Amino acid sequence: DAKTTQPTSMDCAEGRAANLPCNHSTISGNEYVYWYRQIHSQGPQYIIHGLKNNETNEMASLIITEDRKSSTLILPHATLRDTAVYYCIVRVGRDDKIIFGKGTRLHILP
Amino acid sequence: ETGVTQTPRHLVMGMTNKKSLKCEQHLGHNAMYWYKQSAKKPLELMFVYSLEERVENNSVPSRFSPECPNSSHLFLHLHTLQPEDSALYLCASSQDSKGSSGNTIYFGEGSWLTVV
Repeated sequence: DAKTTQPTSMDCAEGRAANLPCNHSTISGNEYVYWYRQIHSQGPQYIIHGLKNNETNEMASLIITEDRKSSTLILPHATLRDTAVYYCIVRVGRDDKIIFGKGTRLHILP
Repeated sequence: ETGVTQTPRHLVMGMTNKKSLKCEQHLGHNAMYWYKQSAKKPLELMFVYSLEERVENNSVPSRFSPECPNSSHLFLHLHTLQPEDSALYLCASSQDSKGSSGNTIYFGEGSWLTVV
């Protein structure tokens, strides 16, 4: 089973920031939080990952709470092309399993 | 372009056919993976290879047979499949297969398989 909980779906207006929450209350100290997204009929696309500190790259920002039990992915200026299913994943164990949950279906509204 | 290339992108096969899916990664990674994504279901991990050795087999039926001849290539050989095996099959790679190192897994675009 996936170790994360995400809302099933979210809407965001085009041009606004999209904030996608994720709960991972059972995360252990050496487990990373990863975010991927999957646009319809394509393979999952890596977005960002982090351990303790907040991270930012050209696609998004990742905010991790101090207790590491939850995180938020921020797409600063959402476009219609950001419509996708977004997966929050915690790496499980030493053998590098990535277990996908159902993710959040993000709809960007024109 | 993620550096992971899958062929064919679409495959239709009969239940008695033998076919193969091919994956090639151009990233210099040492670990490769096969995932299955059925309609309206989460991705399921099928196989993990590290340095050409299989390190994970998630109770996958024997009609799916993986092969990793070198660290850049991964095959999934298909034989006597069932219609319920129709799905998107995704290949992925990462630097190594150790989870806590924080290394990223990159996915190909997938191969759509239809079994008739």
